[in-house]
Amino acid sequence: AIQMTQSPSSLSASVGDRVTITCRASQGIKNDLGWYQQKPGKAPKLLIYGASSLQSGVPSRFSGSGSGTDFTLTISSLQPEDSATYYCLQDYNYPLTFGGGTKVEIK
Amino acid sequence: QVQLQESGPGLVKPSETLSLTCTVSGASVSSGTYYWCWIRQPPGKGLEWIGYVYHTGSTNYNPSLKSRVTMSIDTSKNQFSLKLNSVTAADTAVYYCVRRSGITPNWFDPWGQGSLVTVSS
Repeated sequence: AIQMTQSPSSLSASVGDRVTITCRASQGIKNDLGWYQQKPGKAPKLLIYGASSLQSGVPSRFSGSGSGTDFTLTISSLQPEDSATYYCLQDYNYPLTFGGGTKVEIK
Repeated sequence: QVQLQESGPGLVKPSETLSLTCTVSGASVSSGTYYWCWIRQPPGKGLEWIGYVYHTGSTNYNPSLKSRVTMSIDTSKNQFSLKLNSVTAADTAVYYCVRRSGITPNWFDPWGQGSLVTVSS
C-alpha cells in the first residue's frame, strides 16, 4: 500500500498567516491526491481534488499543488474558521490511503 | 442536493457482525458515474478507507479488512450497505458512507454525517 506522510502533525498560526501543509507519497501517484478538512464532530469536507482543483464553494484562500510524490496544501491567509484537521488522500491505486492528518490551531 | 445518511446499531458485541446502511437522496446509486464507499475513523484517530461498491455490485475492499467485509447495493431502495463480521474493540469507529467520483480526477463528496459504532459486550 502507498504510504502518505503528512507534515507537520500540528501547527499553530495567527489569523492572516500563510499556512503550508505537505503530504509525501511513498511512490509516485501522478496528481491523484485530494485534501479534506475535518472539524470536530463533523464529517470531512472536500477542499481540493486532482492535487490542485478547488472544489466548488471552497474559499480561494485554499490552494493545492504538486505531483508525483510531493504535494502541498496552502492557506494563503488563515481565518478563524480554518481551525480544523486536514487530511490528504491518495486515489492513485488501491487500497486508497490517507495521510495522518494535520491539526491547525489559531493562536 | 445529494445527501447520504448512515443507519444501523450503535452498539455491537465482540465477535458479532456490524451492519450499516447508507441511504442516498438526490442521486441514484444506479448511476455508473460514481462509486459508493465506506470510510471509518476510530475515536481520536485518522481515516481508513474500507472499500467501495459499484452499481453493478462489483466491490473493492481494503486488504486489511477484506476477509471480514461485505458490501452490497440495493438499487430499488437507493441504498448501499456494509457488513463487517467478527468485530473486536479495534473496530469501534465512526463509519462514514461517501460518494466517490468515477472519473479521474477522483473526489469524495458528499460524506454522510457518520455513524458511531461501539464494539463492547
